[in-house]
Amino acid sequence: GAVVSQHPSRVICKSGTSVKIECRSLDFQATTMFWYRQFPKQSLMLMATSNEGSKATYEQGVEKDKFLINHASLTLSTLTVTSAHPEDSSFYICSAQKLADNEQFFGPGTRLTVL
Amino acid sequence: DAKTTQPPSMDCAEGRAANLPCNHSTISGNEYVYWYRQIHSQGPQYIIHGLKNNETNEMASLIITEDRKSSTLILPHATLRDTAVYYCIVRERSNDYKLSFGAGTTVTVRA
Repeated sequence: GAVVSQHPSRVICKSGTSVKIECRSLDFQATTMFWYRQFPKQSLMLMATSNEGSKATYEQGVEKDKFLINHASLTLSTLTVTSAHPEDSSFYICSAQKLADNEQFFGPGTRLTVL
Repeated sequence: DAKTTQPPSMDCAEGRAANLPCNHSTISGNEYVYWYRQIHSQGPQYIIHGLKNNETNEMASLIITEDRKSSTLILPHATLRDTAVYYCIVRERSNDYKLSFGAGTTVTVRA
């Protein structure tokens, strides 16, 4: 159990377009999901905390109007990178916190390349 | 602020035990020690966690010192597939508590 999926696994888009990434907890309910970003040879940096049915909480320096987060159900959170630019190219990873025991499990990540 | 200190890298031989140290001298009484690992281009994978007692599961053992200021993750028989970045994190087991990732230890298992 405790499987988290992300879709798509990789995406290449043109500068100025928007990209939506889905994060799903497949076999458990998650009231809280987290979104991370990881640049090459660096560690994971938390971007935002997403709670089901409420607005996301963003970390300092992360633009909420650029990285739109929706957490409409106990098993799905989405991250939309709006008007993407080459500097947004990164590895985006979500984690889901199990309602039952507060343990966190990570998705496989989404590789975003903006041309 | 990762609150933990780990060596940046270590090598170990395939089939031997790998002992990964972590210092967390400012850990508070209600914080657990968690270990995750990240294989290249994948999401982090949970390994083990503990509060003050030593823990063992099918992947690893976790040894926590009596004063809880440091711990060691033990991979009993390292394989090439254990090559990854290993992260030691302290975390409260409460709602919405974030995981703060430091630089971790890059472990390379060599044949």
